[in-house]
Order: sequence, then structure tokens, then C-alpha cells
Amino acid sequence: DTEVTQTPKHLVMGMTNKKSLKCEQHMGHRAMYWYKQKAKKPPELMFVYSYEKLSINESVPSRFSPECPNSSLLNLHLHALQPEDSALYLCASSQESQGAGGANVLTFGAGSRLTVL
Amino acid sequence: GEDVEQSLFLSVREGDSSVINCTYTDSSSTYLYWYKQEPGAGLQLLTYIFSNMDMKQDQRLTVLLNKKDKHLSLRIADTQTGDSAIYFCAERGGNSGYSTLTFGKGTMLLVSP
Repeated sequence: DTEVTQTPKHLVMGMTNKKSLKCEQHMGHRAMYWYKQKAKKPPELMFVYSYEKLSINESVPSRFSPECPNSSLLNLHLHALQPEDSALYLCASSQESQGAGGANVLTFGAGSRLTVL
Repeated sequence: GEDVEQSLFLSVREGDSSVINCTYTDSSSTYLYWYKQEPGAGLQLLTYIFSNMDMKQDQRLTVLLNKKDKHLSLRIADTQTGDSAIYFCAERGGNSGYSTLTFGKGTMLLVSP
């Protein structure tokens, strides 16, 4: 299995809703990532988990709450979002290497397209 | 800070070669990557190059790296209509075991029949 699976593919939510995005991989990767991509823009890093521990939080508002329940799963819990949070949310995973010595190629999922009304 | 620049648009005819250019600023970058994104889809890795190499070839793809000028290019030979997509150059910074990538703004490649 060489895929990263994201669900749901599309999500529409109101500003008072609570929802979650889910990501799963079975490649044995120990680093997992959330990226946000607005239309016609490059992906922007939100969070990095390394060995199920949060390693990077790129100053993301607390209305986005990541969770890594095990080495295969990554969730992004959404609460009280704003319309400007509408975007494509991409999950990715990679192997861990010792320091910067490996290519650590990121494998991306197809994304969850979120619309906040 | 890190910065990656790309031209925004390239139009070619089917069968021609396409060359997408990228410049980066972080001289400590260890790896540089090319990703392809089709409409409504995630990012697909095309190829990557280690910073101590100057060229890498993979079927129709050729990557050239000029480390002195911090210039990276992706050449696609015999471009097909299925190659129409957005192409992102990315550099890997940091010295941790995971990858923190900085992406360029993306080059939209349009291939006409």
C-alpha cells in the first residue's frame, strides 16, 4: 500500500459546527503532516507529527486541533471555523531519517476540500 | 528566510519539450523536489535531486541543478496533453529527520494539441 487516504473528499460546514478530517497511511511512515492550500496558491505547512508527537505547529489558530492517535492515523479537528478557512487540506506522510541525511519524500493524499459557510 | 520562485505560466505544443525553472535562496537545502498537481487533486512527486548532484534523468524528465546560482529546472521531453498541470518546485530545509518543505508558487503548464 503506497497511498495516503483522506476522508471526506468534500466537507461543507457552518461556522458553529464541529467536524474532523481524517488521514490514514500504511507505509510505515513515522512522520505525518497537515498542509493547507488555498486556490491558486502553494501548500502551506500547518502541523508535523513525528513518532506520534507534535513536532511543528506553524502558529495555526486553535480552532484547528490535530491529533495523531497512532502511527497510521492523523486527524484534524475543526471547530468554530471562519469562511476564510475554506481550502484544500492535504495530508502527507514520510519516513523518518537520521538527521537531514535522507530524501524523506512526502507522499500526499488527494486532499479534503473544505467549505465554511 | 527561505524563498522559492517560479514563473507562473508556460504554454507549449504537444510533442515539444517543456522547461520549468525555479530559483531558491536557502544554500543549506539538502534536497530539491518537483511535484505535479492536477486540478482538484493532491500533489504527486515527480522527482527529486540531492544538492550535491547537478543532473538527474528519469524517463522523460530531466532535472538540472546549478547550486552556485541556486537554480533548478525541470525539462519534460515530448510533452503530452496529460502533462497539463501545476508544477511545484520545493526545497527541503532544516536538519531534522522529517521534511519541512518550502514550495514555490507553482507553474501552470498548458499543453495544446
